[in-house]
Amino acid sequence: DAKTTQPNSMESNEEEPVHLPCNHSTISGTDYIHWYRQLPSQGPEYVIHGLTSNVNNRMASLAIAEDRKSSTLILHRATLRDAAVYYCILRDRGGADGLTFGKGTHLIIQP
Amino acid sequence: NAGVMQNPRHLVRRRGQEARLRCSPMKGHSHVYWYRQLPEEGLKFMVYLQKENIIDESGMPKERFSAEFPKEGPSILRIQQVVRGDSAAYFCASSPVGTGGASVYGYTFGSGTRLTVV
Repeated sequence: DAKTTQPNSMESNEEEPVHLPCNHSTISGTDYIHWYRQLPSQGPEYVIHGLTSNVNNRMASLAIAEDRKSSTLILHRATLRDAAVYYCILRDRGGADGLTFGKGTHLIIQP
Repeated sequence: NAGVMQNPRHLVRRRGQEARLRCSPMKGHSHVYWYRQLPEEGLKFMVYLQKENIIDESGMPKERFSAEFPKEGPSILRIQQVVRGDSAAYFCASSPVGTGGASVYGYTFGSGTRLTVV
């Protein structure tokens, strides 16, 4: 799977929007962009995924650049419960093994 | 609709003992994946199983580790003769379709088993 680059950590204030960036300059045409998050002492939790178009769900929005070399996970109104490590992962549609987790972005939410 | 169930949540073993970690996938999911997370590190893929078959074990250590997913019952990750370096959180994930389809549908993870070897 292609590699992604994320900032080690980000800080935001409660009830403000958060934009988490991810660079994936070597993405291929069949790679899906997945986001997972891991709260303290929990297993990873699926957040959102997309291929080319921007996506919205009840948890977040995913904005994908036109050239697909980067994407941004958007939390519209962060709460303290959103404090977690956020992982941006590329998965080829025909991928034959498990997810490859990097170090992710540690999101800190200030009250 | 229960999620992925892992037990025990915490497991303490002395060096040289065996550890058995269990994972029951979500209802309707027949694909199971095991991951290990060492302290202060990211998750590493270990093994991918379907019912009665190991599909990909490229992330499994060559010795002491084995996994199974029988026709009936949970998936089991077994670690023989544990050593201190096996202390980690072990997570199980499941999906309704194979890895290709899981690129589209995503995975559901359990809360993990935290193994401590003393």
